[in-house]
Parts: sequence; C-alpha cells; structure tokens
Amino acid sequence: SAVISQKPSRDICQRGTSLTIQCQVDSQVTMMFWYRQQPGQSLTLIATANQGSEATYESGFVIDKFPISRPNLTFSTLTVSNMSPEDSSIYLCSVTDGEKLFFGSGTQLSVL
Amino acid sequence: RKEVEQDPGPFNVPEGATVAFNCTYSNSASQSFFWYRQDCRKEPKLLMSVYSSGNEDGRFTAQLNRASQYISLLIRDSKLSDSATYLCVVNGGGSYIPTFGRGTSLIVHP
Repeated sequence: SAVISQKPSRDICQRGTSLTIQCQVDSQVTMMFWYRQQPGQSLTLIATANQGSEATYESGFVIDKFPISRPNLTFSTLTVSNMSPEDSSIYLCSVTDGEKLFFGSGTQLSVL
Repeated sequence: RKEVEQDPGPFNVPEGATVAFNCTYSNSASQSFFWYRQDCRKEPKLLMSVYSSGNEDGRFTAQLNRASQYISLLIRDSKLSDSATYLCVVNGGGSYIPTFGRGTSLIVHP
C-alpha cells in the first residue's frame, strides 16, 4: 500500500481567502484523486489529478474554484479558492493501486 | 437510484453482539468490492476486500452475492473499538473511479 502525506491536517480560514492542500506519495502513481466529505455525508469525488495534463473534474466542481496541480507522479495540490462557509469540509487525497484506494489523513477545513 | 446504497444506521449494539451490514450496487458489471472503516474525522481505511467466495478476517466476514448485487459485512463479538462508520466501495464496471456508499454507522456500547 502507498503511504500518503497530506497537509495541513486542519485549518480555520476566513471567507474569501484560499487554501492549498498538498499530498505527497511515497511511490509513483498514475492517478490521484481529490475527495470532499461534508459533515455526515459520504465521500464526493472532486477531480482526478492527471500528471502532465489538466485535472478531470466531476459534475458540480470547476477548475476556477478548485485548481489542481500535478507536477509529477508523487505530488499533487488542491486549492480551495475564494472560500465560503459552505466549503467547510474534510478534503482527502487518494491514490489507487488499480483496485483499492488509499487515502491521505485528510484536511479538516473550517471557513468562518 | 443511487449506485451504491447502504443503510446509514446507526446500528446501536452491545459488546459481544453480532451485527451485519448490507450494501447494494446497481452496476452489474462491477468487478471489485471493498469495505472501508472510517473513524470520526479520520480518513477511510481499507478493512477488507470482498470476493465471490467470501472471505474472513478474524471477527469479520465479507460476502458477495453477484446475482442479487449486494455485499455484506458480518462482525462477530463486537468490541467497543469497532464503533465507526463502515463504507461500502464498488469499483469497475466501465469506470476506474470507485463508488462509495454513504456509510453505515455502528455504535458498540458497554
């Protein structure tokens, strides 16, 4: 299984600001995923981060709001832009071995 | 109809009880099935894969019924530490993106 380091683990932010979340994987992986989990809800896929090309966003998520970088096969960032209280959530990065998913420890974001 | 459905619970059981969760999926072409465990405010962690022949890991037994398109998780001799949310995950069937159920909450009390 992959070891994923995600940071920050939590943050409290003011509305209108942006936060960038980082994920570092201990091995090269083709696909990385970014999920959001709102309180009491299951995981919702935001986008798939592709190395060398633009991320693929799921319905309801756009690049301007959630820009993603994937400069190499072991690293990715997700930015939550122009935050509002509705963005308060846990954000998780994830990688797959082609079958199973492995997750970073998550970023708990609170927007005031 | 949601792709993966679970009873959200909560299931509130005493220590030592046996509890079972079911999960149904809509895509008959799905190929891989998993149970994940998620503690409060933590990331999901793989509990076990689910195979057609069924599989057992200590107190945990997972089974797959392809004909009826459901998977199950049985926990025997429940411990307080089993309290968590259990997520059903289904993969394959034309998509490389796993699909999550909303999770079943288990509370084991003394």
